[in-house]
Amino acid sequence: DTEVTQTPKHLVMGMTNKKSLKCEQHMGHRAMYWYKQKAKKPPELMFVYSYEKLSINESVPSRFSPECPNSSLLNLHLHALQPEDSALYLCASSQEPTLNTEAFFGQGTRLTVV
Amino acid sequence: GENVEQHPSTLSVQEGDSAVIKCTYSDSASNYFPWYKQELGKGPQLIIDIRSNVGEKKDQRIAVTLNKTAKHFSLHITETQPEDSAVYFCASNNNAGNMLTFGGGTRLMVKP
Repeated sequence: DTEVTQTPKHLVMGMTNKKSLKCEQHMGHRAMYWYKQKAKKPPELMFVYSYEKLSINESVPSRFSPECPNSSLLNLHLHALQPEDSALYLCASSQEPTLNTEAFFGQGTRLTVV
Repeated sequence: GENVEQHPSTLSVQEGDSAVIKCTYSDSASNYFPWYKQELGKGPQLIIDIRSNVGEKKDQRIAVTLNKTAKHFSLHITETQPEDSAVYFCASNNNAGNMLTFGGGTRLMVKP
């Protein structure tokens, strides 16, 4: 099983809403990541979790709040987002925090902020 | 920080022809270089990778070459098929090994 599962696939939310994106992997990977991808652009790293602890925050606004409840799950809590936050949000995982091992991506959550 | 440049941004080939995508990187400490294929509406899929201790790696119709001295690496796809049409991203890790920096992407179109 080399799958990273993200839910929901699509999400439309208002600027005053609170929502959460979920990511799950059962490969025993100890590093998990959130990326943001705008149309026709490469993925941009947001957060890195290493052994369930936040190790990298790429200066992401506080309206994005990550959470890693256990080694298989990664959440991204969203609050008071702006229309420019609309994007594809990708979760990835790798065996070790050092990315010299393969990183597997989920299919993403297409987020639209209205 | 690491900077990865990718060329061309679009590439159109006839079915059966070869396609080559090139990337350069800036961090001489980078030692891992994956290539991802992203189809419309899907997440990136790892198709091949190379580590700095080898100069070339091949997997069926796909090959990657690495020139550490010149800091560039390339993806070669032979006998292209319409299902190869997608956006391809190169990437490299940073000197701590815990981040991937992506190139700008190449939209490959294979015409039947």
